Amino acid sequence: AQSVTQLGSHVSVSEGALVLLRCNYSSSVPPYLFWYVQYPNQGLQLLLKYTSAATLVKGINGFEAEFKKSETSFHLTKPSAHMSDAAEYFCAVGGNTGRRALTFGSGTRLQVQP
Amino acid sequence: EADIYQTPRYLVIGTGKKITLECSQTMGHDKMYWYQQDPGMELHLIHYSYGVNSTEKGDLSSESTVSRIRTEHFPLTLESARPSHTSQYLCASSGRDSNYGYTFGSGTRLTVV
Repeated sequence: AQSVTQLGSHVSVSEGALVLLRCNYSSSVPPYLFWYVQYPNQGLQLLLKYTSAATLVKGINGFEAEFKKSETSFHLTKPSAHMSDAAEYFCAVGGNTGRRALTFGSGTRLQVQP
Repeated sequence: EADIYQTPRYLVIGTGKKITLECSQTMGHDKMYWYQQDPGMELHLIHYSYGVNSTEKGDLSSESTVSRIRTEHFPLTLESARPSHTSQYLCASSGRDSNYGYTFGSGTRLTVV
């Protein structure tokens, strides 16, 4: 079984401030982990993914995430928020064999204040 | 360019009408998925398919039906639309190893009046 918990349904930061979106996972097998971003009235776009290579994963738009097995976490960070980062962010976990590999979290809405 | 397409992007329709939401992908992916997303943002899997002529219901019960006659095409049909069906519907696909992630379409926002 696998699951994802995203702490905080809404996060608000000032422009230029650090962005930290939290994701904890549960998986009975070595996990594959993903962050997706969704802009208003759009589908989900892949930001980055961890597939058991380097534990620090760099993605698009200056985002990165670090896989910490001991903490079962895969938090998403960006050093300096930009107004265009305002969106919904979803963490997802995979790794199970079978037909439905990915389980999505409930999402975190990021607001960026000027 | 390989991609996944959903049409229409927006649809406003009256109660009782039959509707079909289209989803097509040009990546040759085996697996395809339909998610329902309400304003609270959470994604609910309603249907998935792991190949031609294979479909299964997802985690959230839905009155919609799907078909997979061709690899690239995975339409979703509502025989009689109701206001409770108002939502955003997202289609996604993945290769044989779905652990490498899903590719999502832009979604269809359905409003039933």
